[in-house]
Amino acid sequence: GAGVSQTPSNKVTEKGKYVELRCDPISGHTALYWYRQSLGQGPEFLIYFQGTGAADDSGLPNDRFFAVRPEGSVSTLKIQRTERGDSAVYLCASSFGGAIAEAFFGQGTRLTVV
Amino acid sequence: ELKVEQNPLFLSMQEGKNYTIYCNYSTTSDRLYWYRQDPGKSLESLFVLLSNGAVKQEGRLMASLDTKARLSTLHITAAVHDLSATYFCAVEGNNYGQNFVFGPGTRLSVLP
Repeated sequence: GAGVSQTPSNKVTEKGKYVELRCDPISGHTALYWYRQSLGQGPEFLIYFQGTGAADDSGLPNDRFFAVRPEGSVSTLKIQRTERGDSAVYLCASSFGGAIAEAFFGQGTRLTVV
Repeated sequence: ELKVEQNPLFLSMQEGKNYTIYCNYSTTSDRLYWYRQDPGKSLESLFVLLSNGAVKQEGRLMASLDTKARLSTLHITAAVHDLSATYFCAVEGNNYGQNFVFGPGTRLSVLP
């Protein structure tokens, strides 16, 4: 596609449920990043993939959060036992190399946990 | 822990006026980035500042970087309504350039 695509654009879930957020990077981009943006704040780094592997997952807040990129393209961010504090916009970005400065961001998935 | 601060966090200004947004950071990075975000939209790269003293201009926006002071400024000249958005500065979080630490953002509203 022409840009980074994230689905769904909005997701409302009940506390305690499991959710999956999808990111389709720009074709050919080997690096993929996930960020979380809480209301009124700047994006916070979650995880960075280079190819299929998570090169840096130091930003994942706890073990309820997990992300995969099995074929080195599409990535899924998975959140177990969601909490109200998980409500945020989850942004995905991709780049051809491994430099975040060259990355293009998607429009995000707005997750609301009620 | 790397911290990035911005001020002001909220800015309401009239069209035609000038103003400056400040970004302070706590690391010794010599590279700094500015992004724009419209409501419900993605982040759009505005400026890439790669060295001390770097100055970049695009239309009514000008960004500069002072790495010794760990300070970047985003100056707005003769503001227009189309500049209304949230502006973020960001610094690389490690030496590999693989992640950003963003500031909290400055929400700019330009009033007619």
